[in-house]
Amino acid sequence: NAGVTQTPKFQVLKTGQSMTLQCAQDMNHNSMYWYRQDPGMGLRLIYYSASEGTTDKGEVPNGYNVSRLNKREFSLRLESAAPSQTSVYFCASIKSPLRANEKLFFGSGTQLSVL
Amino acid sequence: SQELEQSPQSLIVQEGKNLTINCTSSKTLYGLYWYKQKYGEGLIFLMMLQKGGEEKSHEKITAKLDEKKQQSSLHITASQPSHAGIYLCGAGLRAGGTSYGKLTFGQGTILTVHP
Repeated sequence: NAGVTQTPKFQVLKTGQSMTLQCAQDMNHNSMYWYRQDPGMGLRLIYYSASEGTTDKGEVPNGYNVSRLNKREFSLRLESAAPSQTSVYFCASIKSPLRANEKLFFGSGTQLSVL
Repeated sequence: SQELEQSPQSLIVQEGKNLTINCTSSKTLYGLYWYKQKYGEGLIFLMMLQKGGEEKSHEKITAKLDEKKQQSSLHITASQPSHAGIYLCGAGLRAGGTSYGKLTFGQGTILTVHP
């Protein structure tokens, strides 16, 4: 199994450019997440999708949009990139949040630099 | 401020010493995850605690959940250089009836173990 696959792994953008980060999981998970990680800030939740067909804002949603395309795929879009969005982005998925013996699976991350 | 606060933010210990990392929530906890991250790498699942008073161990790492205090602690016994990295706690937090599936993380604790 591939688990959680994120693309691209690295990206450099100019201020104002747009791009979409792709995420796909092959574990039939219901819930999917996008986090960003900045030095000293841990993981901050951008958006999540508790189930197919739903999306909700997390802690830092401004400047981002998401699409839960189907059960497998959850994309994150930056419409007009800003230097403050320079970060490492992680996608994650889980079958059922907070159920015993379930764990959150993470992708390998996308390093995004906005110049 | 983040909904999950970790303390300390960084920790430097000598090999062989015991240490504790705390994770405190400002809201009611519904399950708590501990992850470890090596610098520049992905996240490694350590354990998940669901019930108040629950305690789990993996090798030399033990985690406990105190639901009344809305707190979890991660204890490492006889630390080794291989324990070095960033430790992150994540949890489901309830605020109203619309936050099902929301999983947020603390800001992380950077652990350095000197040989």
